[in-house]
Amino acid sequence: DTEVTQTPKHLVMGMTNKKSLKCEQHMGHRAMYWYKQKAKKPPELMFVYSYEKLSINESVPSRFSPECPNSSLLNLHLHALQPEDSALYLCASSQGMENNEQFFGPGTRLTVL
Amino acid sequence: AQKITQTQPGMFVQEKEAVTLDCTYDTSDPSYGLFWYKQPSSGEMIFLIYQGSYDQQNATEGRYSLNFQKARKSANLVISASQLGDSAMYFCAMREGGNTDKLIFGTGTRLQVFP
Repeated sequence: DTEVTQTPKHLVMGMTNKKSLKCEQHMGHRAMYWYKQKAKKPPELMFVYSYEKLSINESVPSRFSPECPNSSLLNLHLHALQPEDSALYLCASSQGMENNEQFFGPGTRLTVL
Repeated sequence: AQKITQTQPGMFVQEKEAVTLDCTYDTSDPSYGLFWYKQPSSGEMIFLIYQGSYDQQNATEGRYSLNFQKARKSANLVISASQLGDSAMYFCAMREGGNTDKLIFGTGTRLQVFP
């Protein structure tokens, strides 16, 4: 199994809603990542988990809350988002060695109304 | 200063021809890695090729090769025998030094392959 899966594919939510994005990998990778990508822009790193512990938080607003329940799962909890948070949210995983690529999931397209 | 620069917002190439996508980088760390990813309109980022700063030879993966010119700090992607399915956004990215977890992406180049 060499893929990263993400659910849901699409999500529309209001500014008062609470929702979660889910990501799963079964490649035994030790690092998992959340990226945010706006249209026609490169992905921007949000969070990195290494061995199930948060290792990088790129000064992301607290309305985004990551969680890593186990080595295969990564969640992103969303609360009180703003319309400008509408974007493609990409999850990735990696063995974490120097020459290891990051494997990306298909993303969740989020629209905040 | 930009760490990764892709100066071509868009490129066109005819099917079966070769195309070069440019990427220059800026780092003072002697140890770094360079990656190319393809992103079709579906959104998924697909890894294409990797070049390490200490690699002596240019990386190749099938129709993809990386023209690595260390002194010029460039890592251009060459796609040979273009196919219609190669139409996508292409991102160059760099990992610096010992931080194996952080990738810095360029702004991307949109490639369109026409028949």
